[in-house]
Amino acid sequence: ETGVTQSPTHLIKTRGQQVTLRCSSQSGHNTVSWYQQALGQGPQFIFQYYREEENGRGNFPPRFSGLQFPNYSSELNVNALELDDSALYLCASRTGGRSTQYFGPGTRLTVL
Amino acid sequence: EDQVTQSPEALRLQEGESSSLNCSYTVSGLRGLFWYRQDPGKGPEFLFTLYSAGEEKEKERLKATLTKKESFLHITAPKPEDSATYLCAVGGETSGSRLTFGEGTQLTVNP
Repeated sequence: ETGVTQSPTHLIKTRGQQVTLRCSSQSGHNTVSWYQQALGQGPQFIFQYYREEENGRGNFPPRFSGLQFPNYSSELNVNALELDDSALYLCASRTGGRSTQYFGPGTRLTVL
Repeated sequence: EDQVTQSPEALRLQEGESSSLNCSYTVSGLRGLFWYRQDPGKGPEFLFTLYSAGEEKEKERLKATLTKKESFLHITAPKPEDSATYLCAVGGETSGSRLTFGEGTQLTVNP
């Protein structure tokens, strides 16, 4: 167990709706990253938060947004859901520098 | 742009049959190469971090090695519980803390 927790475990939404996914970082970790993993593929970087500010973003549209809170927990928000947003969403936390990223169990999002 | 290619896509072994998984990468200034294990429907589980060519790390039946262009994950005398998808990822100097992943190798170990 890494100490990174995510909620909910599973979620079903319909196209056009909005969703919020939550992540609690491992104790002592001040940096959180979010990844999207489609079935049969490797995780794709969405963005990273450090000290409550976004400081890195992958090739995802603005309808993917996030927040980091003073206790280092984080949210991923996705607006105007599309069918292709169906995936496993992973949160990873780490300390600074070259430190290893530790992943949570993920949230499985299904968009119908 | 950082790139990672893993091979083979799938590997089926008999229990006790040793083998290696390959991870080829291109990155601008390697900050670290990471190996993760992922079971179906779960998050990746950290295995190893390698920082420079020539470095090796071991954990139970697994050994990871690194050159300037590729990394190998050697599995010695595997057991059925080693069945999983093994993911390789790199972090580069110009990509911040983003990890670029390969698509993984799905390993099945039959008893």
